[in-house]
Amino acid sequence: GQNIDQPTEMTATEGAIVQINCTYQTSGFNGLFWYQQHAGEAPTFLSYNVLDGLEEKGRFSSFLSRSKGYSYLLLKELQMKDSASYLCAGMDSNYQLIWGAGTKLIIKP
Amino acid sequence: GAVVSQHPSWVICKSGTSVKIECRSLDFQATTMFWYRQFPKQSLMLMATSNEGSKATYEQGVEKDKFLINHASLTLSTLTVTSAHPEDSSFYICSARWDRAQETQYFGPGTRLLVL
Repeated sequence: GQNIDQPTEMTATEGAIVQINCTYQTSGFNGLFWYQQHAGEAPTFLSYNVLDGLEEKGRFSSFLSRSKGYSYLLLKELQMKDSASYLCAGMDSNYQLIWGAGTKLIIKP
Repeated sequence: GAVVSQHPSWVICKSGTSVKIECRSLDFQATTMFWYRQFPKQSLMLMATSNEGSKATYEQGVEKDKFLINHASLTLSTLTVTSAHPEDSSFYICSARWDRAQETQYFGPGTRLLVL
């Protein structure tokens, strides 16, 4: 079956670094996505990885290992506005997104 | 980036009424649109996939006669919740995709439905 696993909740301190892990199992693979979702809002796109390695985009980076079925989202210099849910989604061979349940990130001052 | 709009953003209705939600791609032609539902503190649940000019493909457990989807043009898809009940209260989100960029979905802002 298809499955995406990520932690339910994480807590970090403002200014620190946090890594949110995601493991995936999909039927075929067309990439791994990370979305940010603030409460009451639709998801917004953060990153897309289809090849192994690290993609850096400002304070956010995303890593993919296809052989391990593993990805992580790295957030640096955390700001209070980064408090949100982070959704990991794998795209299967039909270009369908398989969604994780999301990781709620709580930032403390 | 591409823009997808949804209308209305908020709707409150009485039980038994039908509610129509529109999803529009504003600056690109969306060959495929997706409808999701999200209950509080849960992740997105795909309800159906619609391709322009053809019938929608519904996910298992989603009643196609209750959630009517029409994708009549490359820029508009509608979701009609028929005979809505309180348990249909949820956050409905659409996303749109262009067939030449199948890895990219652009999300609308969502529609919050409250059925009294």
